[in-house]
Amino acid sequence: KAGVTQTPRYLIKTRGQQVTLSCSPISGHRSVSWYQQTPGQGLQFLFEYFSETQRNKGNFPGRFSGRQFSNSRSEMNVSTLELGDSALYLCASSIERPTDTQYFGPGTRLTVL
Amino acid sequence: AQSVTQPDIHITVSEGASLELRCNYSYGATPYLFWYVQSPGQGLQLLLKYFSGDTLVQGIKGFEAEFKRSQSSFNLRKPSVHWSDAAEYFCAVGVRAAGNKLTFGGGTRVLVKP
Repeated sequence: KAGVTQTPRYLIKTRGQQVTLSCSPISGHRSVSWYQQTPGQGLQFLFEYFSETQRNKGNFPGRFSGRQFSNSRSEMNVSTLELGDSALYLCASSIERPTDTQYFGPGTRLTVL
Repeated sequence: AQSVTQPDIHITVSEGASLELRCNYSYGATPYLFWYVQSPGQGLQLLLKYFSGDTLVQGIKGFEAEFKRSQSSFNLRKPSVHWSDAAEYFCAVGVRAAGNKLTFGGGTRVLVKP
């Protein structure tokens, strides 16, 4: 079974631009969660989508948004990029419940110049 | 506030020696507990998880962890470390009310000496 895939793997943007990251979950998984990983703040939860609905949201500004499609693929968007948005963005997929194992993708490394 | 603490930022261990990584949490409800490992440039891989039942949990790659409610701890152990265990280890906590949201500790980087 294929794992969680994230595209692109690397991205360089400049301040003020916007960016869209994509995550394809494992087949049959309906929950997709997004995390931001930085050296200073560590791993922080952004949001979770389940059956095309946002089920949970972390403490990030409204510039960070996401969506999920009917095939469970998810995208996250960051508008008006800031230098501090440089990070590794990880997505994780699971079947449904908190007790189901979450499988993480390799991440998208975003650099904002 | 809910939090997860990994007191050790770095640990250096000799190959073949035992390893113990500490994790303490502060949560009002009974949490779900996880240990993940991250190799350089990689995503996170689940080592083991605890939801209920036996407080000693066995995981992959020879790791185990023990849940101690009285100490709010979930420490990870391995009796004999291999060079391939060099990586960063994260303890994470979830609660039923928060769906699949995980709160992670700051991580412990493990270096293995030959």
